[in-house]
Amino acid sequence: QVQLQESGPGLVKPSGTLSLTCAVSGVSISSSNWWGWVRQPPGKGLEWIGEVYDGGSTNYNPSLKSRVTMSVDRSRNQFSLKLSSVTAADTAVYYCARTSQFIPFDYWGQGTLVAVSS
Amino acid sequence: DIQMTQSPSSLSASVGDRVTVTCRSSQTISSSLNWLQQRPGKAPKLLIYGASSLQSGVPSRFSGSGSGTDFTLTISSLQPEDFATYYCQQSYSIPFTFGPGTKVDIK
Repeated sequence: QVQLQESGPGLVKPSGTLSLTCAVSGVSISSSNWWGWVRQPPGKGLEWIGEVYDGGSTNYNPSLKSRVTMSVDRSRNQFSLKLSSVTAADTAVYYCARTSQFIPFDYWGQGTLVAVSS
Repeated sequence: DIQMTQSPSSLSASVGDRVTVTCRSSQTISSSLNWLQQRPGKAPKLLIYGASSLQSGVPSRFSGSGSGTDFTLTISSLQPEDFATYYCQQSYSIPFTFGPGTKVDIK
């Protein structure tokens, strides 16, 4: 059973860096999948942030590209998201998700709320 | 970016009703269209991928159709657990984009 679990600080100061990790269980992170992040501001819709492949290749949303870094840690079977220079507009529930070779977004984490506030 | 629109934005329906939600993309996306369900306070859940393929474990009352720019999600007989928000999403080109959602609530 594939499971994803996000973790990280629930509060980040403005201009700081948001850092989240997604722990993967039930499948190796080195199994030809894309691992991605999606966010949802309170009461609003979904926004795709980007994705990272096992080998380190990445695709980012151009609207966030200058501030986003994603990476994979094979030794811990997890992947991570860093978003720099955050503002209140980055306050959202952040979800990690898997896209397999043929099926997009087939597994999701439960989500974690990150608030940007001083 | 490819823009996704959905209609209606919300609807009220009764258990047993047939429900249809439509999604349109601003340019052709072939069949690279997915439907997700999100219940309040929960993560989205994939229902349909590739416009018409039912994700494993999803009840057969859900179905999807369409290609190009126009797509439809149909729930043949609405059940109590189906009251939720439904999003379409294109995985044709980056950035992957979502529709604004259709909220289905109880009549």
